[in-house]
Amino acid sequence: NAGVTQTPKFQVLKTGQSMTLQCAQDMNHNSMYWYRQDPGMGLRLIYYSASEGTTDKGEVPNGYNVSRLNKREFSLRLESAAPSQTSVYFCASSERGESLNIQYFGAGTRLSVL
Amino acid sequence: AQSVTQPDIHITVSEGASLELRCNYSYGATPYLFWYVQSPGQGLQLLLKYFSGDTLVQGIKGFEAEFKRSQSSFNLRKPSVHWSDAAEYFCAVGALYNQGGKLIFGQGTELSVKP
Repeated sequence: NAGVTQTPKFQVLKTGQSMTLQCAQDMNHNSMYWYRQDPGMGLRLIYYSASEGTTDKGEVPNGYNVSRLNKREFSLRLESAAPSQTSVYFCASSERGESLNIQYFGAGTRLSVL
Repeated sequence: AQSVTQPDIHITVSEGASLELRCNYSYGATPYLFWYVQSPGQGLQLLLKYFSGDTLVQGIKGFEAEFKRSQSSFNLRKPSVHWSDAAEYFCAVGALYNQGGKLIFGQGTELSVKP
């Protein structure tokens, strides 16, 4: 019962470094999402993929890129990390890109940018 | 614009006491409403959801929530809190159609439980 798997769990970067956060789901879901969680701000959507082959910007996309590699995998890339990107990143998936579908979350990636 | 407000950032209750966490939403249509719980160092787990029908919904771990359209509220309740309920709780609303089913979250309420 893996559900949504995120790697790595923790990461420390220096300003300007790049990295890719990986996310995979084994529930045959069509839609996938990337959120960031900051204290006092809840979760904010970075990018989402309503279906394989499509991606769209969310509320806070600047500084990020995404790739929907296949139906299972949705990666988030930081090309040039900045301290403002220090956050906890969550990947989620749902059966379809509709509001009435439940989203299932991974355990998160805790990223620090120094 | 759609938004969700959780007025209480941090609440402390005694074990065995009742609990109510507040959630207000701003929405332009019939809302799909959710409560999620996040234990320390973990991801988010769905507690309950409201889509339509009975305005009092039951969830896991003994939680319930009541949808009140007139007050634009979806408050979470539990009659008797257990120490294991200490966590952060998020209220969320599903975005309007054609937005990929994304969720709009409140700021979260951190719950502490006193022995």
